[in-house]
Amino acid sequence: QVQLQESGPGLVKPSETLSLTCTVSDVSISSSYWSWIRQPPGKGLEWIGYIYYSGSTIYNPSLESRVTISVDTSKNQFSLKLSSVTAADTAVYYCARFLGWGKYYFDDWGQGTLVTVSS
Amino acid sequence: EIVLTQSPGTLSLSPGERAILSCRASQSVSSSYLAWYQQKPGQAPRLLIYGGSSRATGIPDRFSGSGSGTDFTLTISRLEPEDVAVYYCQQYGSSPEFTFGPGTKVDIK
Repeated sequence: QVQLQESGPGLVKPSETLSLTCTVSDVSISSSYWSWIRQPPGKGLEWIGYIYYSGSTIYNPSLESRVTISVDTSKNQFSLKLSSVTAADTAVYYCARFLGWGKYYFDDWGQGTLVTVSS
Repeated sequence: EIVLTQSPGTLSLSPGERAILSCRASQSVSSSYLAWYQQKPGQAPRLLIYGGSSRATGIPDRFSGSGSGTDFTLTISRLEPEDVAVYYCQQYGSSPEFTFGPGTKVDIK
């Protein structure tokens, strides 16, 4: 069982940059693809983007101009930066894994972390 | 962009009844790339079904998935109290690569 744990500030001011890290345990980060998904309070799931250990990324076009996902293989971690945040970016942010190579579903998820955008 | 629509929005049934949840895509989706998740209050989503019809590890056999093209179904054959949750379908395609449906909430009467 892969363990994923999100960490980062729970409160971010409008116009600033949201930064989160996902620490992966019990498996090498080079074994899979790693994604960020968010869920505004009381709403559905929105895929943000994913990264492979090589550093290649794909982002949701709706967020692409503001999103950066990076990986640190030495720490078995990957990170999310979302710039110029507004109240609409308030959400629970999840990190999740998919295997790729025909297996395009999220079989392991972190517990999620609530990020509130407010002054 | 492939848009997923789920119906009904809410399903309220008695224990032991059959629940049928629908996921409709705006364009044809390969069943290999259609998954279902269960999300209980305060928890992360949990993978139930992948490849349209394959149960994930540890998922009871009362959960089954079917469908092809633009119409997919998640069936809970005999509803249990612990099945109260929101159920999401998800597809993999092109730009955006991953999309989720809006969810169906399942309640117990």
